[in-house]
Amino acid sequence: GAGVSQSPSNKVTEKGKDVELRCDPISGHTALYWYRQSLGQGLEFLIYFQGNSAPDKSGLPSDRFSAERTGGSVSTLTIQRTQQEDSAVYLCASCWDNEETQYFGPGTRLLVL
Amino acid sequence: SQKIEQNSEALNIQEGKTATLTCNYTNYSPAYLQWYRQDPGRGPVFLLLIRENEKEKRKERLKVTFDTTLKQSLFHITASQPADSATYLCALVYSSASKIIFGSGTRLSIRP
Repeated sequence: GAGVSQSPSNKVTEKGKDVELRCDPISGHTALYWYRQSLGQGLEFLIYFQGNSAPDKSGLPSDRFSAERTGGSVSTLTIQRTQQEDSAVYLCASCWDNEETQYFGPGTRLLVL
Repeated sequence: SQKIEQNSEALNIQEGKTATLTCNYTNYSPAYLQWYRQDPGRGPVFLLLIRENEKEKRKERLKVTFDTTLKQSLFHITASQPADSATYLCALVYSSASKIIFGSGTRLSIRP
Protein backbone atom coordinates (compact mmCIF):
# COMPACT_ATOMS: atom_id res chain seq x y z
CA GLY A 1 0.00 0.00 0.00
CA ALA A 2 2.97 2.34 -0.35
CA GLY A 3 2.65 5.53 -2.30
CA VAL A 4 4.86 6.78 -5.09
CA SER A 5 8.52 6.68 -4.13
CA GLN A 6 11.45 8.46 -5.68
CA SER A 7 15.19 8.09 -5.29
CA PRO A 8 17.49 9.62 -4.47
CA SER A 9 15.76 12.23 -2.34
CA ASN A 10 18.66 14.62 -2.90
CA LYS A 11 21.37 14.68 -5.53
CA VAL A 12 24.32 17.03 -5.83
CA THR A 13 26.36 16.75 -8.99
CA GLU A 14 28.94 18.67 -10.94
CA LYS A 15 28.16 20.42 -14.17
CA GLY A 16 28.67 18.11 -17.12
CA LYS A 17 27.93 14.88 -15.25
CA ASP A 18 25.01 12.58 -16.04
CA VAL A 19 22.34 11.82 -13.44
CA GLU A 20 19.59 9.21 -13.17
CA LEU A 21 16.46 9.77 -11.14
CA ARG A 22 14.18 6.89 -10.26
CA CYS A 23 10.43 6.68 -9.74
CA ASP A 24 8.50 3.73 -8.33
CA PRO A 25 4.81 4.33 -9.01
CA ILE A 26 1.89 2.89 -7.08
CA SER A 27 1.47 -0.75 -8.04
CA GLY A 28 -0.99 -1.17 -10.88
CA HIS A 29 -1.01 2.46 -11.96
CA THR A 30 -0.77 2.56 -15.74
CA ALA A 31 -0.01 6.25 -16.17
CA LEU A 32 3.20 7.93 -15.01
CA TYR A 33 4.26 11.58 -15.27
CA TRP A 34 7.51 13.45 -14.69
CA TYR A 35 7.48 17.14 -13.73
CA ARG A 36 10.12 19.68 -12.84
CA GLN A 37 9.58 22.35 -10.20
CA SER A 38 12.00 25.23 -9.87
CA LEU A 39 12.07 27.40 -6.75
CA GLY A 40 8.86 29.40 -6.47
CA GLN A 41 7.55 28.07 -9.76
CA GLY A 42 4.72 25.79 -10.76
CA LEU A 43 5.18 22.28 -12.04
CA GLU A 44 6.58 22.00 -15.54
CA PHE A 45 5.39 18.91 -17.42
CA LEU A 46 8.24 16.83 -18.83
CA ILE A 47 7.00 13.44 -20.05
CA TYR A 48 3.98 11.14 -19.78
CA PHE A 49 3.78 7.34 -20.04
CA GLN A 50 0.45 5.53 -20.49
CA GLY A 51 0.42 1.76 -20.65
CA ASN A 52 2.14 0.43 -23.75
CA SER A 53 1.57 3.59 -25.79
CA ALA A 54 4.42 5.70 -27.04
CA PRO A 55 5.31 8.26 -24.36
CA ASP A 56 4.44 11.92 -24.77
CA LYS A 57 7.85 13.61 -24.65
CA SER A 58 6.62 17.04 -25.64
CA GLY A 59 7.68 18.64 -22.35
CA LEU A 60 11.32 17.56 -22.35
CA PRO A 61 13.38 20.78 -22.48
CA SER A 62 16.28 19.44 -24.51
CA ASP A 63 17.74 16.27 -25.96
CA ARG A 64 19.85 15.94 -22.83
CA PHE A 65 16.71 14.72 -21.09
CA SER A 66 15.32 11.23 -21.61
CA ALA A 67 13.11 8.83 -19.71
CA GLU A 68 12.27 5.17 -19.77
CA ARG A 69 9.61 3.07 -18.15
CA THR A 70 10.49 -0.58 -17.89
CA GLY A 71 7.85 -3.26 -17.66
CA GLY A 72 5.13 -0.67 -17.24
CA SER A 73 6.30 0.08 -13.73
CA VAL A 74 9.55 1.76 -12.62
CA SER A 75 10.66 4.82 -14.54
CA THR A 76 14.07 6.46 -14.84
CA LEU A 77 14.63 10.07 -15.87
CA THR A 78 18.15 10.65 -17.20
CA ILE A 79 19.78 14.03 -17.59
CA GLN A 80 23.01 14.01 -19.57
CA ARG A 81 25.74 16.63 -19.32
CA THR A 82 23.90 18.45 -16.53
CA GLN A 83 23.81 22.24 -16.48
CA GLN A 84 23.25 24.56 -13.53
CA GLU A 85 19.82 25.50 -14.85
CA ASP A 86 18.80 21.84 -14.44
CA SER A 87 18.80 22.38 -10.68
CA ALA A 88 15.24 21.85 -9.48
CA VAL A 89 12.94 19.37 -7.79
CA TYR A 90 11.94 16.54 -10.10
CA LEU A 91 8.54 15.10 -9.25
CA CYS A 92 6.96 11.88 -10.42
CA ALA A 93 3.24 11.13 -10.32
CA SER A 94 1.17 8.09 -11.22
CA CYS A 95 -2.50 7.25 -11.61
CA TRP A 96 -4.87 4.58 -12.87
CA ASP A 97 -5.84 4.57 -16.49
CA ASN A 98 -8.32 7.39 -17.10
CA GLU A 99 -8.27 8.41 -13.46
CA GLU A 100 -8.17 12.10 -12.90
CA THR A 101 -6.25 12.24 -9.65
CA GLN A 102 -2.47 12.09 -9.75
CA TYR A 103 -0.51 10.71 -6.82
CA PHE A 104 2.82 12.43 -6.41
CA GLY A 105 6.08 11.21 -4.99
CA PRO A 106 8.18 13.34 -2.63
CA GLY A 107 10.51 14.44 -5.41
CA THR A 108 14.24 14.41 -6.01
CA ARG A 109 16.08 17.65 -5.28
CA LEU A 110 18.82 18.06 -7.85
CA LEU A 111 21.59 20.60 -7.40
CA VAL A 112 24.11 21.07 -10.19
CA LEU A 113 27.23 22.89 -9.08
CA SER B 1 0.35 29.82 -25.15
CA GLN B 2 -1.91 28.99 -22.23
CA LYS B 3 -1.13 30.85 -19.01
CA ILE B 4 -2.28 30.47 -15.45
CA GLU B 5 -2.10 33.10 -12.76
CA GLN B 6 -2.70 32.43 -9.08
CA ASN B 7 -3.75 35.57 -7.27
CA SER B 8 -0.75 36.20 -5.14
CA GLU B 9 2.46 34.61 -4.15
CA ALA B 10 1.47 34.66 -0.47
CA LEU B 11 -1.69 35.14 1.54
CA ASN B 12 -1.91 35.68 5.31
CA ILE B 13 -5.21 34.97 7.04
CA GLN B 14 -6.36 35.08 10.64
CA GLU B 15 -7.40 31.70 12.04
CA GLY B 16 -11.14 31.13 11.75
CA LYS B 17 -11.56 33.38 8.70
CA THR B 18 -12.27 32.17 5.17
CA ALA B 19 -9.27 32.02 2.86
CA THR B 20 -9.98 32.62 -0.82
CA LEU B 21 -7.42 31.77 -3.47
CA THR B 22 -7.79 32.68 -7.13
CA CYS B 23 -6.73 30.89 -10.28
CA ASN B 24 -7.10 32.75 -13.59
CA TYR B 25 -6.30 31.40 -17.02
CA THR B 26 -6.12 32.69 -20.56
CA ASN B 27 -7.36 31.33 -23.85
CA TYR B 28 -9.50 28.21 -23.92
CA SER B 29 -11.15 26.49 -20.96
CA PRO B 30 -9.90 23.11 -19.71
CA ALA B 31 -11.96 19.95 -19.48
CA TYR B 32 -11.54 20.23 -15.74
CA LEU B 33 -9.55 22.01 -13.11
CA GLN B 34 -7.82 20.57 -10.05
CA TRP B 35 -6.56 22.02 -6.79
CA TYR B 36 -3.59 20.53 -4.94
CA ARG B 37 -1.93 21.21 -1.61
CA GLN B 38 1.86 21.15 -1.34
CA ASP B 39 3.78 21.20 1.93
CA PRO B 40 7.50 22.09 2.05
CA GLY B 41 9.70 19.25 0.85
CA ARG B 42 6.77 17.16 -0.33
CA GLY B 43 4.93 16.43 -3.54
CA PRO B 44 1.50 17.94 -4.21
CA VAL B 45 -1.57 16.21 -2.79
CA PHE B 46 -4.87 16.24 -4.69
CA LEU B 47 -7.74 18.08 -3.00
CA LEU B 48 -10.61 18.76 -5.38
CA LEU B 49 -11.57 18.55 -9.02
CA ILE B 50 -14.22 20.58 -10.82
CA ARG B 51 -15.40 19.98 -14.37
CA GLU B 52 -16.11 22.48 -17.11
CA ASN B 53 -19.87 22.07 -16.72
CA GLU B 54 -19.88 22.37 -12.92
CA LYS B 55 -20.20 25.62 -11.06
CA GLU B 56 -19.27 24.53 -7.56
CA LYS B 57 -17.80 21.61 -5.63
CA ARG B 58 -17.54 21.13 -1.88
CA LYS B 59 -15.54 18.84 0.37
CA GLU B 60 -15.72 19.41 4.11
CA ARG B 61 -14.34 22.95 4.69
CA LEU B 62 -13.22 23.31 1.08
CA LYS B 63 -15.20 24.85 -1.77
CA VAL B 64 -14.19 25.34 -5.39
CA THR B 65 -16.00 27.38 -8.02
CA PHE B 66 -15.37 27.46 -11.75
CA ASP B 67 -16.50 30.28 -14.02
CA THR B 68 -15.65 29.63 -17.67
CA THR B 69 -16.90 33.09 -18.66
CA LEU B 70 -14.50 34.83 -16.32
CA LYS B 71 -11.90 32.08 -16.91
CA GLN B 72 -11.45 31.82 -13.19
CA SER B 73 -11.59 29.32 -10.34
CA LEU B 74 -11.88 30.29 -6.70
CA PHE B 75 -10.73 28.01 -3.88
CA HIS B 76 -12.18 28.68 -0.43
CA ILE B 77 -11.16 27.28 2.95
CA THR B 78 -13.72 28.13 5.61
CA ALA B 79 -12.95 28.22 9.34
CA SER B 80 -9.25 28.24 8.47
CA GLN B 81 -6.77 26.62 10.82
CA PRO B 82 -2.98 26.95 11.18
CA ALA B 83 -2.73 23.38 9.83
CA ASP B 84 -4.13 24.68 6.54
CA SER B 85 -0.91 26.63 6.00
CA ALA B 86 0.68 25.33 2.80
CA THR B 87 1.11 26.19 -0.87
CA TYR B 88 -1.97 25.59 -2.99
CA LEU B 89 -1.65 24.85 -6.70
CA CYS B 90 -4.29 24.91 -9.38
CA ALA B 91 -3.95 22.77 -12.47
CA LEU B 92 -5.78 22.90 -15.77
CA VAL B 93 -6.39 19.57 -17.50
CA TYR B 94 -7.21 19.49 -21.19
CA SER B 95 -8.61 16.70 -23.29
CA SER B 96 -5.26 14.97 -23.63
CA ALA B 97 -4.12 13.55 -20.32
CA SER B 98 -0.65 14.89 -20.86
CA LYS B 99 -1.83 18.45 -21.30
CA ILE B 100 -1.83 19.49 -17.65
CA ILE B 101 -0.74 22.99 -16.81
CA PHE B 102 0.05 23.93 -13.21
CA GLY B 103 0.01 27.38 -11.70
CA SER B 104 2.94 28.57 -9.62
CA GLY B 105 0.93 28.33 -6.42
CA THR B 106 -0.18 30.58 -3.58
CA ARG B 107 1.54 30.23 -0.23
CA LEU B 108 -1.16 30.43 2.44
CA SER B 109 -0.32 31.20 6.06
CA ILE B 110 -2.96 30.98 8.78
CA ARG B 111 -1.95 32.82 11.93
CA PRO B 112 -3.39 31.81 15.32
